[in-house]
This record gives sequence, structure tokens and C-alpha cells, in this order.
Amino acid sequence: DARVTQTPRDKVTEMGQEVTMRCQPILGHNTVFWYRQTMMQGLELLAYFRNRAPLDDSGMPKDRFSAEMPDATLATLKIQPSEPRDSAVYFCASGPGQPQETQYFGPGTRLLVL
Amino acid sequence: AQKVTQAQTEISVVEKEDVTLDCVYETRDTTYYLFWYKQPPSGELVFLIRRNSFDEQNEISGRYSWNFQKSTSSFNFTITASQVVDSAVYFCALSGSYNTDKLIFGTGTRLQVFP
Repeated sequence: DARVTQTPRDKVTEMGQEVTMRCQPILGHNTVFWYRQTMMQGLELLAYFRNRAPLDDSGMPKDRFSAEMPDATLATLKIQPSEPRDSAVYFCASGPGQPQETQYFGPGTRLLVL
Repeated sequence: AQKVTQAQTEISVVEKEDVTLDCVYETRDTTYYLFWYKQPPSGELVFLIRRNSFDEQNEISGRYSWNFQKSTSSFNFTITASQVVDSAVYFCALSGSYNTDKLIFGTGTRLQVFP
């Protein structure tokens, strides 16, 4: 049963530290999404890639967040420096590449910035 | 603008009751897709269904059924004979043709099924 994997599952860090979250999309999927879930804002799209190229990162704070796909099997989301307001659950999702196809979500990374 | 409204914040039922979760959407697109996801207490988001705007047939999958009505811009989800394992937050989402890859999520409905 193919699944999206994310590491770490939980991360506690102090304000100002760098945080890196990793995602392995489902093999064969060429579209990767990063979402953030908070109580106040719900689920928000931060950025997404198709064939490793960034298509939209308008939902991402540019000054401290960066998203990359070093290769087809790895997507990363970095926060530097982290702030308490970044505390949230970060989800990665992948899709087979056609527009409006189903997005399959990973288990999420729960981030707490103290 | 696209929008998904799930007016029911929380619903509580007793096992074996039927329950309907409402979803109302707004879009100017003529082609769009609607989705339902389940988020159990463990936290992951589980895909349940995808439906395109040209297919208004209702769908049934076991105890789950979906009623899509374009006339009222609604895509409601019914669980028949609910079980404790159905306890979760359920999200309705919309993907329109303009921003084809973006999913616009509703705020979710928390369903609690008591034994």
C-alpha cells in the first residue's frame, strides 16, 4: 500500500533554530504539495511542485520558509529562523500529476517552536 | 472566489445513528472537483472521495454515501449506522479549473460517535 512518508513526525525546537521537514512522495507521483494546519487558519497550501519544479509558493512566507525537491523522491521544507507562530502540523501530499487529481497526504510533522 | 463552507462545527451521535455532514461550495468555474477527507484522532488525512462537476450521480460506498446537488452547490456526506471508529474530523474540499492544483478546504466538521 503506497503511502507518503514524512520525517520527523514530531519536532520541538527553540525560537531561532532551523527546522527541516522531509517528505517522500508516493513512487510515480510527480506533484508534491506542502500544507500547514493550525486551529486558527485551518489547512493552508504553502507551496507545490510538479516534476520537481516549483509551480506556486504564494502561500509561503518567503523570508523564512523555503521548499525544494532535490530529487523526485524527496521534498524538503525549511524554516530559518523558526518562530513560535510557526507551530503547526505540516503535511506533505503527492498526486499523480494530472490537474485536479486526488492528493494523498502523509502523516504530517507536528512542529512546536518554543 | 472559491470557498467551501462546513457550517457544522461539531456533531455528536450515538452508535448506529445515521449522520449527515453538510458541505456548501462557491465557485465560478464550470469544471471543478469536490473531495472529502477524513482526519482521525491519529492526525493523518485520509482520502474518501473525488467527484467532478459533471457527475451528479449519488455515490455509495459501504456505509458512506454522498449527495451532490449542483442546484444548491452542495456535496453532503452521510454515514449510515455510525460506529465509534467513524469519530474524526471530516473535511470537504474544492479544486477549480482556474487554480487546478489547489485544494480549498472547508473548516471541517468534528464527528463524535459515542457507544
